[in-house]
Parts: sequence; structure tokens; C-alpha cells
Amino acid sequence: QVHLVQSATEAKKPGASVKVSCKASGYRFSDYAVHWVRQAPGQGLEWLGWVVTGYGNTEYLPKVQGRITISVDTSASTVNMELSSLTSEDTAVYYCARDLGHCSGNRCTWAAFDVWGQGTTVTVSS
Amino acid sequence: DVQLSQSPSFLSASVGDRVTITCRASHDITGYVAWYQQKPGKVPDLLIYGASTLQTGAPSRFSGSGSGTEFTLTISSLQPEDSATYYCQQVKHYAVTFGQGTKLEIK
Repeated sequence: QVHLVQSATEAKKPGASVKVSCKASGYRFSDYAVHWVRQAPGQGLEWLGWVVTGYGNTEYLPKVQGRITISVDTSASTVNMELSSLTSEDTAVYYCARDLGHCSGNRCTWAAFDVWGQGTTVTVSS
Repeated sequence: DVQLSQSPSFLSASVGDRVTITCRASHDITGYVAWYQQKPGKVPDLLIYGASTLQTGAPSRFSGSGSGTEFTLTISSLQPEDSATYYCQQVKHYAVTFGQGTKLEIK
């Protein structure tokens, strides 16, 4: 079975950084891209960025560009998302999600997010 | 960015009703639209991708249609377990964007 398992809940102070991990299993890791999405309390879904897992190339939402880094550990089938200079507006549940579009070399097609991690709650408060 | 606007934002309907949710895009996104269902405290669940392809395991009462800038999600016969928030998503243009959501309540 295909699974994405995320790291545990985090509580951070303003100005700190947080790193959330997402471990994949049940499929060939490098064949599919992984995205990160967040959901603030009571709000909708916001896409943050994605990574081509076989090559590590990334794209980010302009709003968080400069504060976000998505990286890949192919030996561990894990994608990490680090967000720095946290403010209360970053309080949210953070999800990783697999894109069911296929990757060929360093190029992937976007299709839809078919498998999601369980979510990691990040709370930013002084 | 491509803006997605869903209507209605809130919908109340009865078991057995046919329900339609609309998603309008600010730019042509051809058929690169997906629909998700999210229940409170749960992870979003993919229902439809490519505007009209039913995801494996999704109930057949869900269907999607549309192209260009207007898309619809239809539930042919509403069931009690369909109470949830529904989101459309476009994956045609960077950055990926979602609609604001439609909350569906069962009367």
C-alpha cells in the first residue's frame, strides 16, 4: 500500500524555523513528484511548493519563496520541508501529497494529488 | 496566478438530491482540474482529476465536467456521508491553486 507518513506536531516561537518530514513507502519514490500544502485553522488549502523527487528540482509559491526549502533524501524515500522566519500566520496543518502525474527524467506532469500524508500541525506562538 | 472561484460557498441539500458545485477559473486551464472532498479533521481525498476522470475508489455518484474556465462537480444522488467541504484545484499553470471551498450540509 502507498503511504506518506509525516513527522509529529511542532510548536515554535516567532522567528524560528520548522522542518517537517514526509516518508514515502509502497511505490517507486523517484517516479512521482511530491507537493506541500498547508491549511490554516478554519481556512482552505494553500499550495506551497513541489519537488521532482528523482532530481531534487523545486518550485515554490512566491509568497513563501526565500523562507521555504523542500529537499529530498532519496536513500530514505523522504521529502523534507523547512520553513524559516515563522510568524503566527504560518500556524497551520502542513500536508505532503504525491502527484499522480508521472515523472520522466527531471520533468514531471502535474495531474492531481492522489496520496496525502496525515498532516503535521505547526503552531507558532510566543 | 490562476484564481479559482467556487459557487456556492455553502450548500444545504437532502439525501437523494442531485447537487452541482461550480468552479470558475480566471484563465483557461483546459482540463487540468481536480476535485477533493475534505471532512472535518481529515485529509483531503481526491475524487476527480483531469476534469472528468473518477479516481479509483471514489463512488460513482460523483462526476466532473467542463473545460476552459468553467467546471462542475456533480453528485447524482446525495448520501449522508457526502457531508463535507469540496475544493477544486487547477494544475495547469504555476502556481497550483485551489478554490475557496464549498461546504455541503445534509438537511
